[in-house]
Amino acid sequence: DGGITQSPKYLFRKEGQNVTLSCEQNLNHDAMYWYRQDPGQGLRLIYYSQIVNDFQKGDIAEGYSVSREKKESFPLTVTSAQKNPTAFYLCASGTGYGYTFGSGTRLTVV
Amino acid sequence: AQSVTQPDIHITVSEGASLELRCNYSYGATPYLFWYVQSPGQGLQLLLKYFSGDTLVQGIKGFEAEFKRSQSSFNLRKPSVHWSDAAEYFCAVGGAGKSTFGDGTTLTVKP
Repeated sequence: DGGITQSPKYLFRKEGQNVTLSCEQNLNHDAMYWYRQDPGQGLRLIYYSQIVNDFQKGDIAEGYSVSREKKESFPLTVTSAQKNPTAFYLCASGTGYGYTFGSGTRLTVV
Repeated sequence: AQSVTQPDIHITVSEGASLELRCNYSYGATPYLFWYVQSPGQGLQLLLKYFSGDTLVQGIKGFEAEFKRSQSSFNLRKPSVHWSDAAEYFCAVGGAGKSTFGDGTTLTVKP
């Protein structure tokens, strides 16, 4: 079945560390998206990519980085510059005609 | 710029009662409209979508939504709520570009 796979489901980060969240899709979608979700704040767009080797900043890109070397993959790195990274991270793919979401990664700073 | 407003942050209904979740949008052309549902700790699942044609659209899990252009609204309804419907619901507007999501409405179902 086609879908989006996010891994890991839970991730713990020490202060000052970079961590990378994985997102893989087999839906043949050109566009992929990363959202951050905090309680009571809905979905906030971090980065998006509409084609391989190209990506754009969303509303809260500071402290994050991405790459899009393959159509199927859109990994997100949470850098040490992100001062409050504890959140639920969601990856999605699709177009303005509808998105498919992964099951999310919960990142906690320890 | 496109935007979505979900006026109700939290709604509580009794099991078996009817449900209506409100959504208002702003979009320059004919909008593509969506409702998604999110269970705790999970991703979002598409409930239904409107692109054109009949303004009353049916979705999964017994949900329906009505597009009203004159009111810029796309409210979600269900005639009889089940305890398993407790979740967070997001309205979204899309089109040629990326989608814009509302802040969500949390639904609590009382036994």
